[in-house]
Amino acid sequence: AQSVSQHNHHVILSEAASLELGCNYSYGGTVNLFWYVQYPGQHLQLLLKYFSGDPLVKGIKGFEAEFIKSKFSFNLRKPSVQWSDTAEYFCAAAPYNNNDMRFGAGTRLTVKP
Amino acid sequence: GAVVSQHPSWVICKSGTSVKIECRSLDFQATTMFWYRQFPKQSLMLMATSNEGSKATYEQGVEKDKFLINHASLTLSTLTVTSAHPEDSSFYICSASSHGTSGIVTQYFGPGTRLTVL
Repeated sequence: AQSVSQHNHHVILSEAASLELGCNYSYGGTVNLFWYVQYPGQHLQLLLKYFSGDPLVKGIKGFEAEFIKSKFSFNLRKPSVQWSDTAEYFCAAAPYNNNDMRFGAGTRLTVKP
Repeated sequence: GAVVSQHPSWVICKSGTSVKIECRSLDFQATTMFWYRQFPKQSLMLMATSNEGSKATYEQGVEKDKFLINHASLTLSTLTVTSAHPEDSSFYICSASSHGTSGIVTQYFGPGTRLTVL
């Protein structure tokens, strides 16, 4: 069955610390991968997406993610987090040219000032 | 571009009543729209996929007769929660998909509707 796993449920960091959130997917064939962020009280916003090409994808607000096909992973990274990065982060995957998008359980990031 | 709106953003209703939530793609035509449900501190769960002009496809465990979905045009889909009960209280989020020039599908999410059933 198609699924997306996020292993970190809650991550707490201090400002300026580096961030890496894990995401693994279970899909057959070509897959599109996404990271969304949901700030408190706000709706989902797309951080970045991978469809093809360079496996290192750069998104908004200094975030990046690396697609490693052999590991079925699409981890999100940021070199130096800020207090304003406190939010819920969702990894999602969908088969190529297919609308069947599945979300991971989400990772709550708390950044302490 | 690619803005999706939902109306209302917040609704409170009495148990047993029906509530309709609208989802609109404002600046693009969406052949497919999705409805998700998000419980507090949990992820989005896909409820159904709707294609314009055809019946919605519901995920396993989602009651078709309770969550009525209508996708009457390329820019509007509605979700009606019929005979709502307190356990239906949740955050309902819609998304609309757009095909890029390469045929890649991207979903754009609405801001969500918080339903509280008393």
